[in-house]
Amino acid sequence: GQNIDQPTEMTATEGAIVQINCTYQTSGFNGLFWYQQHAGEAPTFLSYNVLDGLEEKGRFSSFLSRSKGYSYLLLKELQMKDSASYLCAVMDSNYQLIWGAGTKLIIKP
Amino acid sequence: ETGVTQTPRHLVMGMTNKKSLKCEQHLGHNAMYWYKQSAKKPLELMFVYSLEERVENNSVPSRFSPECPNSSHLFLHLHTLQPEDSALYLCASSQAHIGTGGYEQYFGPGTRLTVT
Repeated sequence: GQNIDQPTEMTATEGAIVQINCTYQTSGFNGLFWYQQHAGEAPTFLSYNVLDGLEEKGRFSSFLSRSKGYSYLLLKELQMKDSASYLCAVMDSNYQLIWGAGTKLIIKP
Repeated sequence: ETGVTQTPRHLVMGMTNKKSLKCEQHLGHNAMYWYKQSAKKPLELMFVYSLEERVENNSVPSRFSPECPNSSHLFLHLHTLQPEDSALYLCASSQAHIGTGGYEQYFGPGTRLTVT
């Protein structure tokens, strides 16, 4: 079967760094996406990785290792507005997205 | 209007009612999606329309019926729903996947559905 695993909840301090991990087992791989979803709002696109390595975009970076079926989202200089759920999704061989349940990130002052 | 819009934002319906959810995208995309989001569960893909043809059904109960009259509009017709159908229903759009490509999906704000 297809499976995406990520922690249910994480807590971090304002100004710190946090890493949210995602492991996956899917039928085929056409890239991995990270989305941010604030409570009561739509998911918004953060990053896309299809090749191994690190993609940096401002305070957010995303890493992929296809051989390990592993990705992480790194958030630096955390701000209170980063409190949200972070969704990992893998595009399978049919170009459909398989979603994780999301990681709720709580930022404390 | 920009992006992806959905109406209504909130809907309460009885189990014998018939209602429809509407989605419209203003991004020039040619693929549209319906998702169901329940608390603490992964997004569940319900239907996909690519180039106005339905390409995925995912064994959704027949009480949910999609309609895609053109590449900008998507409907989800609801009838004789069950309380367990209460959830957030999200619409999304993207470029259709022709060949390779990781086209991100853009989501609407969702319809919060409560079935009583």
